[in-house]
Amino acid sequence: RKEVEQDPGPFNVPEGATVAFNCTYSNSASQSFFWYRQDCRKEPKLLMSVYSSGNEDGRFTAQLNRASQYISLLIRDSKLSDSATYLCVVYDSGSARQLTFGSGTQLTVLP
Amino acid sequence: NAGVTQTPKFQVLKTGQSMTLQCAQDMNHNSMYWYRQDPGMGLRLIYYSASEGTTDKGEVPNGYNVSRLNKREFSLRLESAAPSQTSVYFCASGETRDSPLHFGNGTRLTVT
Repeated sequence: RKEVEQDPGPFNVPEGATVAFNCTYSNSASQSFFWYRQDCRKEPKLLMSVYSSGNEDGRFTAQLNRASQYISLLIRDSKLSDSATYLCVVYDSGSARQLTFGSGTQLTVLP
Repeated sequence: NAGVTQTPKFQVLKTGQSMTLQCAQDMNHNSMYWYRQDPGMGLRLIYYSASEGTTDKGEVPNGYNVSRLNKREFSLRLESAAPSQTSVYFCASGETRDSPLHFGNGTRLTVT
């Protein structure tokens, strides 16, 4: 089993739709969680950290479920500019990887 | 703010050639990282430096060496390039090891 797994998609949704991505992680001792976005052929950029109590930033909501070992990202009222690949990232101080990146979920928002 | 600056942006090497990828950050971060990204593989950690003067192997260190020259700079060296090292390389920095990372623009390396 991969340490961090994401559905690669692609997810094709119309503008204004709500879309959710899940990410599962294998190490129950993982300590920190993040969502990044990566535009085509560009560097990854932090979208938001994920806190135990869940957190929201505008149209974006992140949730952490430690019992089931997954994190989620919800995008409401999606915009064309949300089209990107979304990377789930998990930090484990005991891992040689330190921060482990998922392979990403590709989202295309259609007009 | 420059953030994380990587050079060069593009490079083509022949098998067996050597080169050094340069990375500098101006955010006074302690931790710096080198990743490679290949299609379908996600980002894989090559080496990291938790603080000035220390370096550690990541997931895929073979064929690479690094130098943390000072707090700002972290270079990646390919001593004898191989076609399997064709990839996009990203340098990143973070305040601490569990902090979010700031990435450079990437270096697209092709080894023929």
